Formats: sequence, C-alpha cells, structure tokens
Amino acid sequence: KAGVTQTPRYLIKTRGQQVTLSCSPISGHRSVSWYQQTPGQGLQFLFEYFSETQRNKGNFPGRFSGRQFSNSRSEMNVSTLELGDSALYLCASSAGTGGGNTEAFFGQGTRLTVV
Amino acid sequence: GENVEQHPSTLSVQEGDSAVIKCTYSDSASNYFPWYKQELGKRPQLIIDIRSNVGEKKDQRIAVTLNKTAKHFSLHITETQPEDSAVYFCAASTPRDDKIIFGKGTRLHILP
Repeated sequence: KAGVTQTPRYLIKTRGQQVTLSCSPISGHRSVSWYQQTPGQGLQFLFEYFSETQRNKGNFPGRFSGRQFSNSRSEMNVSTLELGDSALYLCASSAGTGGGNTEAFFGQGTRLTVV
Repeated sequence: GENVEQHPSTLSVQEGDSAVIKCTYSDSASNYFPWYKQELGKRPQLIIDIRSNVGEKKDQRIAVTLNKTAKHFSLHITETQPEDSAVYFCAASTPRDDKIIFGKGTRLHILP
C-alpha cells in the first residue's frame, strides 16, 4: 500500500508570491489534515478535509486555504507569502470515520522557504 | 477548542535510564491519544496510542498512561537506547472528527 505522498519536497518562493502544495493520501483514506511545523512551535493544525469538505480549521489567517478533490487528493494554497511562512508543511491522511479511529499517517512534507 | 500542553521541551537521559514525557489536554471529550516520534529529517510516525477506555498500554519498552479525571497522559520509555533520540509529540483527538491536536514536542537526547 503506497504511503502519503507530498509534492514538491522543496520550494523557494519570494515574499508576496503564492504557492500550492499537494498531498495524495493513502488509498481508501478520506480525511486529509495539514500541519505547519516550525522549530519550537511543534505541529500546528491548519485544516482538515473530509469528502471534499473542510471539516475543521485551525487558527491561521485567510491567506492559508485548501481543497480536496473527489479522489481525496488535497492541495493547500498560501497567498501573499511572508517570511514567517517558511516552514515544513506536513499532511496526514486517515480513514476519516472519527469515533476514535483516527490513526494518522504523515507524508514526508514540503519544505517551504520564503525569501 | 482542544489545547495540548507537553513537558518538558527538552530531555536528556543516560543510556539505559528511563524517560518520561507528560501532556495535558483541555477538551474532556477527547478520547484518542497518540504519540508520534520524529527522527531528524523524517516524517512523524505513530509509536503508540491509547484510547480513553483504558488507563495504561504497553508495547515492549514503551508505555502510556492516561488519567481522564486529571486530563493528563504520559509516555514512559524504559532502558533507553541511542535510537530513541528524537522529537516526541503527544496529541489528542475527539470522537467528533479526525482533528488531531499536537503538543509542541519534546526533544529527547540519549547520552552515552
């Protein structure tokens, strides 16, 4: 069974630009969550998509958005990039059924550097 | 919403000794508590989890305990080895959905 795949692995962007990151979950998983990882801040929850709908949202500005397609693949977009957006962005897939059955599997992440 | 606090942020233990990492959560509805290990340059991976209907779970050298009344849970690693050096994250999730909220992590150093 293929794992969670994120593309691209590395990105360098300039302040003010926008960026789109992609995540392909494990086959059969319907939930995709996105996290921002920075030193000292751990894994901060961005949002979670289930069956093409945003089901949960963290405390990030509206510049951070996402979507999910019918095949469960997800993208996240960051517009008007700021230096502070430099981070490792991780996605995690899970079955999505809730009820405590929520083991999440992470992708390898996309390292975004804003210059 | 759920908030997970994790302590300590850094922990150094002699090889062979035990390590304990503690977490608290705020949402009493949380019922699933996973622990993830992230080695340098790698993705976080689940090492053990516990559900709210049990108070303790063990898997070889790793154990987790859960106190629902106090809303705290802990990871215990015994007979630590060099390969245990990593960042460990605790997390909590509610039965409503698959939103998993993580603590800020503990960097564990195993000293030779």
